[in-house]
Amino acid sequence: DTEVTQTPKHLVMGMTNKKSLKCEQHMGHRAMYWYKQKAKKPPELMFVYSYEKLSINESVPSRFSPECPNSSLLNLHLHALQPEDSALYLCASSQSGAGASLDTQYFGPGTRLTVL
Amino acid sequence: GENVEQHPSTLSVQEGDSAVIKCTYSDSASNYFPWYKQELGKGPQLIIDIRSNVGEKKDQRIAVTLNKTAKHFSLHITETQPEDSAVYFCAASKGYQKVTFGIGTKLQVIP
Repeated sequence: DTEVTQTPKHLVMGMTNKKSLKCEQHMGHRAMYWYKQKAKKPPELMFVYSYEKLSINESVPSRFSPECPNSSLLNLHLHALQPEDSALYLCASSQSGAGASLDTQYFGPGTRLTVL
Repeated sequence: GENVEQHPSTLSVQEGDSAVIKCTYSDSASNYFPWYKQELGKGPQLIIDIRSNVGEKKDQRIAVTLNKTAKHFSLHITETQPEDSAVYFCAASKGYQKVTFGIGTKLQVIP
């Protein structure tokens, strides 16, 4: 089973709201990722967690705050977003948390976020 | 950093014909090349991948070739079907959990 689940499927929020995106995998993977994808563009890496520790932050604004409560769960907390943050937010996981491994990343279906 | 170029950006083929998507990469240290298919409203799904110690890999109607010397790799889909219609992304990685994607190819299979 190579399933990564994400909730909610759709989210509409105002610029003053606080919301969270959730990602879950039960494949025993030790690396989890957040990507942002704008329409007709490839996914852009935001964060990587390796063995539940933040290993990569691609200079993402602080209004996006990731959290990895355990090896199966990954959250993305959103606060004071801008309309240009509207996008598809994708979660992915890969088997090994080792930084130099060539692991396949498996993606979830994404959360379609609209910021008004 | 790594740069992956992908072409064509759009591709229309008749059902039953073959489709070929080509990618080039810039970093000779890259050694893992996955291909993803993304249908409308869904996340990318891995369809095939190849590592740099292999020149070609096939899975039913899908095949990928890799030329390390020229730093290019290609996806071949034979006997295309309407359900193959989607956006296809090539990618390159040298590990360290970072994958660089191409811009994507929108494939339309015309029944």
